[in-house]
Amino acid sequence: DTGITQSPRYKITETGRQVTLMCHQTWSHSYMFWYRQDLGHGLRLIYYSAAADITDKGEVPDGYVVSRSKTENFPLTLESATRSQTSVYFCATSFFAGASTDTQYFGPGTRLTVL
Amino acid sequence: GNSVTQMEGPVTLSEEAFLTINCTYTATGYPSLFWYVQYPGEGLQLLLKATKADDKGSNKGFEATYRKETTSFHLEKGSVQVSDSAVYFCALYILTGGGNKLTFGTGTQLKVEL
Repeated sequence: DTGITQSPRYKITETGRQVTLMCHQTWSHSYMFWYRQDLGHGLRLIYYSAAADITDKGEVPDGYVVSRSKTENFPLTLESATRSQTSVYFCATSFFAGASTDTQYFGPGTRLTVL
Repeated sequence: GNSVTQMEGPVTLSEEAFLTINCTYTATGYPSLFWYVQYPGEGLQLLLKATKADDKGSNKGFEATYRKETTSFHLEKGSVQVSDSAVYFCALYILTGGGNKLTFGTGTQLKVEL
């Protein structure tokens, strides 16, 4: 697969369990992002990464952990899942963050349900 | 802080009707403005963008003009099709040194019926 892939596409878990959502890109884009999409909130940024080994918090980082050891992968971990983390999660990339015209490219999303 | 306000949906139109989805923003500085579209079951994709005042972005028959005086970026299309049914997100970006971070509106669902 080329572009951005996310796995799994659907996940059901229980409160308190650890869950990892995977994001993989084939473009070697510098920037990668994790968003969550909730009704009434649109998309909110969880974490982003400017390059391998460089990550930073977004708007709603609590309860999430990220890492980026390789340029192409950007996993998102929920260390102890809560019901409030039930959401659709989108990974996105952009080639370069310094340009105001730079486009973000989105993956297909992971629908996570925490029971 | 920066924010984007969109009209609430769903917006339901008949095929070939004229579409307007309102978007206004609040920002410190001079943002770039974007419209993203999300088709059912898919991720977002860029529809159009404008980077300075009075710029017009256009794509697939959709247009939006960056109006600095009214802080608006309304999306328009002269004749919608059933295939335009999707959720539309207005977004802004300001270069702050913190990277390419978009601020999104809450999205407006469009339903086009035959």
